Amino acid sequence: RKEVEQDPGPFNVPEGATVAFNCTYSNSASQSFFWYRQDCRKEPKLLMSVYSSGNEDGRFTAQLNRASQYISLLIRDSKLSDSATYLCVVNKDFGNEKLTFGTGTRLTIIP
Amino acid sequence: EAQVTQNPRYLITVTGKKLTVTCSQNMNHEYMSWYRQDPGLGLRQIYYSMNVEVTDKGDVPEGYKVSRKEKRNFPLILESPSPNQTSLYFCASRPGTSVLEMYNEQFFGPGTRLTVL
Repeated sequence: RKEVEQDPGPFNVPEGATVAFNCTYSNSASQSFFWYRQDCRKEPKLLMSVYSSGNEDGRFTAQLNRASQYISLLIRDSKLSDSATYLCVVNKDFGNEKLTFGTGTRLTIIP
Repeated sequence: EAQVTQNPRYLITVTGKKLTVTCSQNMNHEYMSWYRQDPGLGLRQIYYSMNVEVTDKGDVPEGYKVSRKEKRNFPLILESPSPNQTSLYFCASRPGTSVLEMYNEQFFGPGTRLTVL
């Protein structure tokens, strides 16, 4: 089983729709979780950290389910500018020195 | 402007010719790391550094060396590059290394696309 697993997509979603991604992780000791966004041929940038209680930032909501070992990202009212690859990132151990990146989910918002 | 810079951005070289990819950050970050990104494999960590003179292996360190003589710089050295090191390389930095700072964002450089013939 991969340490971090994501559906690669692509997800082609009409503008204004709501889209959700899940990401599963194998290490039950993982403590910190993130969603990064990567545009084509660019560097990854932090979208959201994922806290135990879940968190929301504007149109974006992140959730953590420790029992089932997955994190989710929900995007509401999707915009054309949301088109990107979304990377799920999980730490390997209690610290944050080693991070494991998922292979990413590609999202395209269609006008 | 706060940033992570990498040089060169693009490099084509031949097998066995030593090369160095530089990485520099101007944010006084303690933590720095190198990743490679390959299709279908995602980003994989090569080496990381918690502070000056402190480096450790990531998941794929074979064939690479690093050094951290100054806080701002973290060069990646390929002593004898091989075609399987053809990849997109990212350097990243993060403020702080304590457990309390575990949610700190990693800032990535723009990437270096390396081709080894």
